[in-house]
Amino acid sequence: DTGVSQNPRHKITKRGQNVTFRCDPISEHNRLYWYRQTLGQGPEFLTYFQNEAQLEKSRLLSDRFSAERPKGSFSTLEIQRTEQGDSAMYLCASSLDRGGGPTNEQFFGPGTRLTVL
Amino acid sequence: AQKITQTQPGMFVQEKEAVTLDCTYDTSDPSYGLFWYKQPSSGEMIFLIYQGSYDQQNATEGRYSLNFQKARKSANLVISASQLGDSAMYFCAMRESNYGQNFVFGPGTRLSVLP
Repeated sequence: DTGVSQNPRHKITKRGQNVTFRCDPISEHNRLYWYRQTLGQGPEFLTYFQNEAQLEKSRLLSDRFSAERPKGSFSTLEIQRTEQGDSAMYLCASSLDRGGGPTNEQFFGPGTRLTVL
Repeated sequence: AQKITQTQPGMFVQEKEAVTLDCTYDTSDPSYGLFWYKQPSSGEMIFLIYQGSYDQQNATEGRYSLNFQKARKSANLVISASQLGDSAMYFCAMRESNYGQNFVFGPGTRLSVLP
């Protein structure tokens, strides 16, 4: 399977606990994105990486959220001290930057569904 | 202001008929891209079709075509010969060249194909 993969697919946690999600992009893709999607809404951008550099962060990404992509391959998204409002689907996407312009489509993984009790 | 508007929360279509899903957008960037994604109940976002702001022709990909009306800022998705497997959420998204690399998504339209 050469698509984007995410683990775990589902995570149930208690309020106040920390959780970490992993995303493995398509291997030759240099860009990686994280989105959050709540029920009945479209995905909302959280952050993106160009190789290992985190180049953009949404204001949705509070200081309880941190993302890394240490070797420019897989990425992790950690949420500390989870709150019930963090319950959502967390989507990862990757794309190949061909040098500019808005043309590059993003390929999405299946998502991690987080439920905070 | 909403950058992407999808005014149809839900649509029904008879199998084998064509359906149009509406999308309007708002941008002052002359260079932008418009994308449509399908999200079945399994949750994965599937890329369907892309239209660039400078493209002269409407994009087509198999049964999918994009009715791009730049002056009206609309990019409607047309699905021809609907199939039961087309039942899903459909999202319109935009990327603007001058505003970072992320997509802005609309709220989506749920399409149900009836047998």
